[in-house]
Amino acid sequence: ELKVEQNPLFLSMQEGKNYTIYCNYSTTSDRLYWYRQDPGKSLESLFVLLSNGAVKQEGRLMASLDTKARLSTLHITAAVHDLSATYFCAVDIGTSYGKLTFGQGTILTVHP
Amino acid sequence: KAGVTQTPRYLIKTRGQQVTLSCSPISGHRSVSWYQQTPGQGLQFLFEYFSETQRNKGNFPGRFSGRQFSNSRSEMNVSTLELGDSALYLCASSLRSGGYYNEQFFGPGTRLTVL
Repeated sequence: ELKVEQNPLFLSMQEGKNYTIYCNYSTTSDRLYWYRQDPGKSLESLFVLLSNGAVKQEGRLMASLDTKARLSTLHITAAVHDLSATYFCAVDIGTSYGKLTFGQGTILTVHP
Repeated sequence: KAGVTQTPRYLIKTRGQQVTLSCSPISGHRSVSWYQQTPGQGLQFLFEYFSETQRNKGNFPGRFSGRQFSNSRSEMNVSTLELGDSALYLCASSLRSGGYYNEQFFGPGTRLTVL
């Protein structure tokens, strides 16, 4: 059974600082997705990572994928308050395209 | 392009009742997946429908069922509601065009409260 684990689960950051969220998964896959969820809202797609070594960047967020280590990272550069949200990674495997297995989520709070 | 829509947005039911939730996918998307989100269990996959057929199923009891119509709209039904069914139910649509990956786009969710 595929398991996806994120850490840390809670992250309190000061504005301007850098930090990384880690996402480990238990079964071979080269399809990993990052989502953002604001309180009371739905999930917004951030990144789709499809191969070993894939790196995507959008603004202050950069995501990467190491399929050999079964690890993805979401790096936050010079955090700002607007990045406060819950971040989820998710994996699908094989031909189960419609079935995402999610990590527990990382609650990020950015303080002034 | 309109996003994924879900109705109703909020529901309050009592134990033992049944409920039907509706999801309209993004135009052109043929796959609809359903997820349950709770504080304790996080986001859990319920099932996926594509071309009116259930393609994948999660580990939920048979009280949870769904269907998809020819226009790709989907409904999920929960019978004999239990307190533990209180959750945010999210629907996601995707193209599922036979390509290598299948990015899912989520609707706003239906917040179900069971009293």
